[in-house]
Amino acid sequence: NAGVTQTPKFQVLKTGQSMTLQCAQDMNHNSMYWYRQDPGMGLRLIYYSASEGTTDKGEVPNGYNVSRLNKREFSLRLESAAPSQTSVYFCASSEGTGSNQPQHFGDGTRLSIL
Amino acid sequence: GDSVTQMEGPVTLSEEAFLTINCTYTATGYPSLFWYVQYPGEGLQLLLKATKADDKGSNKGFEATYRKETTSFHLEKGSVQVSDSAVYFCALSEGSGGYQKVTFGTGTKLQVIP
Repeated sequence: NAGVTQTPKFQVLKTGQSMTLQCAQDMNHNSMYWYRQDPGMGLRLIYYSASEGTTDKGEVPNGYNVSRLNKREFSLRLESAAPSQTSVYFCASSEGTGSNQPQHFGDGTRLSIL
Repeated sequence: GDSVTQMEGPVTLSEEAFLTINCTYTATGYPSLFWYVQYPGEGLQLLLKATKADDKGSNKGFEATYRKETTSFHLEKGSVQVSDSAVYFCALSEGSGGYQKVTFGTGTKLQVIP
């Protein structure tokens, strides 16, 4: 019962470095999402993939790219990290795009940019 | 646009006290409503949901009723336990442009003391 698995759990980067956050789900879900969580701001959507082969921008996409590698995996890439990207990043998945379907979350990646 | 407003925290209660966390929303359509719970170091977990007006969601002693007339979805529990200490997020979900658009509140931290 792994659900949604994110790696790494913690990461410290220097400004300008790049890295990729990995996410995999084993629930055969069609839709996947990347959020960032900042104090006092709830969760904000960065990118989503409604189905395998598609990706689209969310509310705060600048500075990020994504890849839906297959139905299970959805990665988030920071090409040139900036201190403003210090945050906790959550990957989530849902069975489809219906409004009544809950999202299932990973445990997050805590990212610090120095 | 859509928005979710939660009561400010932290909320500190003694064990066995009654809990209410207020949540009101603004939406353009007919959203589904959710409460998620986040324990320290973990991702969000679905606590309960309601998909139409007057529906009551319930789980683990928690309840919330979808009130369309007051645009509210308040979370209640009759007797809290120390293990209920966590951050609680109210959220609304609408199908929008081919994806599930979820708007989260900023979260309410609950601390239950023995």
